[in-house]
This record gives sequence, structure tokens and C-alpha cells, in this order.
Amino acid sequence: DAGVIQSPRHEVTEMGQEVTLRCKPISGHDYLFWYRQTMMRGLELLIYFNNNVPIDDSGMPEDRFSAKMPNASFSTLKIQPSEPRDSAVYFCASSFGSQAFFGQGTRLTVV
Amino acid sequence: GEDVEQSLFLSVREGDSSVINCTYTDSSSTYLYWYKQEPGAGLQLLTYIFSNMDMKQDQRLTVLLNKKDKHLSLRIADTQTGDSAIYFCAESTSRGNTPLVFGKGTRLSVIA
Repeated sequence: DAGVIQSPRHEVTEMGQEVTLRCKPISGHDYLFWYRQTMMRGLELLIYFNNNVPIDDSGMPEDRFSAKMPNASFSTLKIQPSEPRDSAVYFCASSFGSQAFFGQGTRLTVV
Repeated sequence: GEDVEQSLFLSVREGDSSVINCTYTDSSSTYLYWYKQEPGAGLQLLTYIFSNMDMKQDQRLTVLLNKKDKHLSLRIADTQTGDSAIYFCAESTSRGNTPLVFGKGTRLSVIA
């Protein structure tokens, strides 16, 4: 398996634009997590899914953020409209059992 | 709530042992993890320990868990320049399927 695949690796966008981050979890994994990493706050959990169903989205910063998992092999994190303070590295991770595996992340820069 | 604390920086000489420490607050933590992050990369799972164990060894890595003090450490023997990275401690209260709570990470610098 190629591991957790995220796209794009880098995204630069202007304030106010819509941004969509994509994630393909490891096949057979039943949990999917979205994290955000910044220097100030470290790694923060945004939302996670179990069998494609959102379980806890209390970490989503505000209504501008939304996440979907239409099937077991794909998830998106959308920011609309984007703001400069959303600049961060966004990680997707998947797990089955006791080990969670992370993607390479998407570095988002909002100017 | 859950909290995981780590020192932010550690500097060691090549060939020496590195010890990275972590404390956590959640007494119901079941699994404790160490992840490694190299520049520009994702988090790589290095090792993990179940809470009913007090030690786990895997090649150059030794994990020690003191459940009474809620203290976890990662020892890297014969540290190499390739070990330079940020090391994250994380805990989970289930079989890893509940979200991991991470520390802020310890940046390890290895001096040649």
C-alpha cells in the first residue's frame, strides 16, 4: 500500500478563495483523522470519521471549515472562504487498530 | 482534559544516547506513542507501548513507561545525524482508534 495520500502537497491561495484538501486513506482502515499543525499550537485534531461517519468535529475552528467522507477511500477538507490565519500544514491520518499512519501533509498558505 | 508535555529542544553529540521525555495527564491512557517528523514530511510512527508494559525495546530505541508518574521516555542509542528531527509523544485512551493527543514535539539536533 502507498500509505495515506494527500493532495495537493502545497497550496497557495488568496484570501477569500475556497480551498479543498484531499485525502486517500490506507485501504481497509476504518478511522480517518484530519489534523492541523502550526508553530504556535502544534498538532490539533480538527475532525475524525469512523466508517465514513463524522464522530467528532468539535476541533473544526469555525463554520468556514467543512469535511466530508463520501466513501471509504476518500475524504476532503474544505475552507471557504480562506483567511491568512488558516495558513498551516494539514495532515490526514488513518488507522485500523492501535496504529495511526499519517500522510505527507498539505502546506497551505493564504495570502 | 488531556495534556501531553515535552521539552522543546535537545542537542546531543553523534554517537551519544538521546533521551526524550514526555509527561501526560490522562490516567486512562491506554497506548502511548512516539512519532518522528523530518523537515517537510509527515509523522512517522516509530514505536508505541501499551499501558500495562513498562519497557519496550526495538533496535536502537528503548521506550520506558512509568505509569505511576505518567512519564514516558524514548532513548535512542548511538544517535546519528539522520536522527535529527522533531519527536512527538502522543497518547490514546483506546486501541488507537480514538484520536491521538500530541505533545508539542521535541526538536532533536545531533552534532557531528
